[in-house]
Amino acid sequence: AQSVTQLGSHVSVSEGALVLLRCNYSSSVPPYLFWYVQYPNQGLQLLLKYTTGATLVKGINGFEAEFKKSETSFHLTKPSAHMSDAAEYFCAVSDSGTGNQFYFGTGTSLTVIP
Amino acid sequence: SAVISQKPSRDICQRGTSLTIQCQVDSQVTMMFWYRQQPGQSLTLIATANQGSEATYESGFVIDKFPISRPNLTFSTLTVSNMSPEDSSIYLCSVDASTDTQYFGPGTRLTVL
Repeated sequence: AQSVTQLGSHVSVSEGALVLLRCNYSSSVPPYLFWYVQYPNQGLQLLLKYTTGATLVKGINGFEAEFKKSETSFHLTKPSAHMSDAAEYFCAVSDSGTGNQFYFGTGTSLTVIP
Repeated sequence: SAVISQKPSRDICQRGTSLTIQCQVDSQVTMMFWYRQQPGQSLTLIATANQGSEATYESGFVIDKFPISRPNLTFSTLTVSNMSPEDSSIYLCSVDASTDTQYFGPGTRLTVL
């Protein structure tokens, strides 16, 4: 069965500092991995995803994530935090293939300090 | 990607009543999903709705409490029946737009008094 662990339910960074949100997964088959962002009072927006190919994937708003199979990790990074990045971030894993169930982590709330 | 809308965006309901949430997508999709997000929590899958077949419910969710309709490839409804304050949550629909990715609607914020 698949599962996702997000280390740190709350992360605070200063504006302009590096953002690092951690995600580790457990999967018995090659996974598809996703990061979603949820701004206050909104639904989930896809930030980026890894399916196959290049292990470093770039997403919207300057975010990127690297799939490391040996570490079963898919950490999300952004070189320089912006105030508008304050939101809830969810990591998710699914089996490869259309329509398979997604398993979400518990989320990380990012606060950006001016 | 897919553009998904939900109605209502929020509602306040009385205990014992029912609320039907609508989910509309701008393209035809095979699979639609309904999630619940309780306050401060992650997403929990309620059920998967395929057009032309009965919805498949996850453990802990039953059809009598959360009946789902899927009349065509662009629309689905979720009803929250006989509501109690514990049903206060955000309810989200999502679709798998044949790209191995789920896209989410804006959510329906339900408060039960």
